[in-house]
Amino acid sequence: DVQLVESGGGLVQPGRSLRLSCAASGLTFDEYAMHWVRQAPGKGLEWVSSISWNSGRIDYVNSVKGRFTISRDNAKNSLYLQMNSLRAEDTALYYCAKDAYPEYSGQGYFDYWGQGTLVTVSS
Amino acid sequence: SYELTQPPSVSVSPGQTASITCSGDKLGDKFASWYQQKPGQSPVVVIYQDRKRPSGIPERFSGSNSGNTATLTISGTQAMDEADYYCQAWDSSTAEEVFGGGTKLTVL
Repeated sequence: DVQLVESGGGLVQPGRSLRLSCAASGLTFDEYAMHWVRQAPGKGLEWVSSISWNSGRIDYVNSVKGRFTISRDNAKNSLYLQMNSLRAEDTALYYCAKDAYPEYSGQGYFDYWGQGTLVTVSS
Repeated sequence: SYELTQPPSVSVSPGQTASITCSGDKLGDKFASWYQQKPGQSPVVVIYQDRKRPSGIPERFSGSNSGNTATLTISGTQAMDEADYYCQAWDSSTAEEVFGGGTKLTVL
């Protein structure tokens, strides 16, 4: 069974940094694109960032461009999200999600999700 | 940026058919997916590529997508289908994944 386990969340002050990790198992990790999706408390889903199977393509939602960096280590079956200059509006449950395809594109979709890791940005 | 619009809530009686819409400019030209999220749980894909069902998803879930509207239809709705539902599509012009605002389905 595919498992995605996020970690690294916590309480952080505005302007500080945090690094999220997602450990994948039960799949050939380097064959799939991966994504980060967040959900603010009581709100809907918001896509944050995507990375293709070989890190050749990376994209971000406008609100995190220049502050967040997505990366992956296929040798370690792991996905990361480096979050800098955090703001109160970044407070959310951050999900790691697997794409059904190596490259994210119109035909792709999120076929597996982790349980999420909570990031709270507050002074 | 591309936007997907869903009704905030839909109500249905048990055994009846529920339809949840998702509207976006020329959405029919893109693939739409649908995700079910129950309280305290992670989202689960119930429809992908407009009308395909993943293994394990009941046949009562179906989808369509044409023009500016994608629709998730749940036939013979059961109490266990009560959840939030989100549509999603990929905007090629910005390379962004986009989610609708979500629809709370109430089975009463």
